[in-house]
Amino acid sequence: NAGVTQTPKFQVLKTGQSMTLQCAQDMNHEYMSWYRQDPGMGLRLIHYSVGAGITDQGEVPNGYNVSRSTTEDFPLRLLSAAPSQTSVYFCASSYTTGELFFGEGSRLTVL
Amino acid sequence: AQRVTQPEKLLSVFKGAPVELKCNYSYSGSPELFWYVQYSRQRLQLLLRHISRESIKGFTADLNKGETSFHLKKPFAQEEDSAMYYCALGGAGSYQLTFGKGTKLSVIP
Repeated sequence: NAGVTQTPKFQVLKTGQSMTLQCAQDMNHEYMSWYRQDPGMGLRLIHYSVGAGITDQGEVPNGYNVSRSTTEDFPLRLLSAAPSQTSVYFCASSYTTGELFFGEGSRLTVL
Repeated sequence: AQRVTQPEKLLSVFKGAPVELKCNYSYSGSPELFWYVQYSRQRLQLLLRHISRESIKGFTADLNKGETSFHLKKPFAQEEDSAMYYCALGGAGSYQLTFGKGTKLSVIP
């Protein structure tokens, strides 16, 4: 099993560009989520999903969109990138409360 | 609102010394507490959870509801313990976790 796979690992964008961070899991987990990790801020929840067709906002959802058309995939879309979105993004999935399985992270720089 | 506080950004200890990483939380319901660890160039992973009351890699953590704390302890630090540690809070039956800002543990040889 690959677990949680995120692509790309690194990305540089210009302000105003759009992009999608991909996340896929092969563990048949119903719950998936996106976090961003910033120095001194820890991990903050952006969006989450408790199953296909169901998504909800986390703590810092502005500027991001998500969809969940299948159990396996949970892409995160940046509609118009801003320098404040420079961060490391982590996708995580879970089959039970509290035990999150994380991807390796995607480092995004917005110039 | 739920909140997790890790007061130390950085904690440096000598090899063989005891380690205590502090975590305090604020939550109105029945809390579930976790410690996650991120070693250099590795994924963030679950270290332990309070309901299991087990010791992982020599680390233990006890939930103190009176003091709203969940400190992580190890009697003798090892160099391989150097990592970023996050305390996380969830509610009973909830998948969502609120993370603290993290403590970077550096074990000095």
